[in-house]
Amino acid sequence: KNQVEQSPQSLIILEGKNCTLQCNYTVSPFSNLRWYKQDTGRGPVSLTIMTFSENTKSNGRYTATLDADTKQSSLHITASQLSDSASYICVVMDSSYKLIFGSGTRLLVRP
Amino acid sequence: DSGVTQTPKHLITATGQRVTLRCSPRSGDLSVYWYQQSLDQGLQFLIQYYNGEERAKGNILERFSAQQFPDLHSELNLSSLELGDSALYFCASSPGGATETQYFGPGTRLLVL
Repeated sequence: KNQVEQSPQSLIILEGKNCTLQCNYTVSPFSNLRWYKQDTGRGPVSLTIMTFSENTKSNGRYTATLDADTKQSSLHITASQLSDSASYICVVMDSSYKLIFGSGTRLLVRP
Repeated sequence: DSGVTQTPKHLITATGQRVTLRCSPRSGDLSVYWYQQSLDQGLQFLIQYYNGEERAKGNILERFSAQQFPDLHSELNLSSLELGDSALYFCASSPGGATETQYFGPGTRLLVL
């Protein structure tokens, strides 16, 4: 069964610190992997999109990595800010355009 | 503002009823996606249309249907509503390619009483 699992479920860090979120998937055949940021009650915002051949992609303070062999991805947030408090969702698209969502990691950045 | 509009913003209805949610994609985008987000299940992909044709189908119930019109706006029809259909329904659009960014609308919050 195609699945996307994220860890941790929730995370609290101090402002200015770094953190890393994990995503493991079993989706096959794979097309691409996406990370989204979602503020409560609002639509998700795309952070990165990576295909099979891409190992890393950055968007400002957000850096995503992909290991297609182990089917693992991570999202690293550098020098966290209060505005980074949100849910971060890992999504995998298969080769037929179907999207499988992880349950998300809820991040809280404290001053 | 993503450029994707959804109407209505809020909808309250009763069990057994039928509702229609509307989505207007960003100018130039050919693909429209529909998603459901309930408290206990997170975001789920329902269906995708590309230039008027269904392209991919996710966990969409048979009571739900969608279509994309020639002007590229899309409607999601929910019928025989149940309490469990209460959720946020998001629409997203993209130019159409598999690796292109999707832009999400603000969502329609549906409450079934």
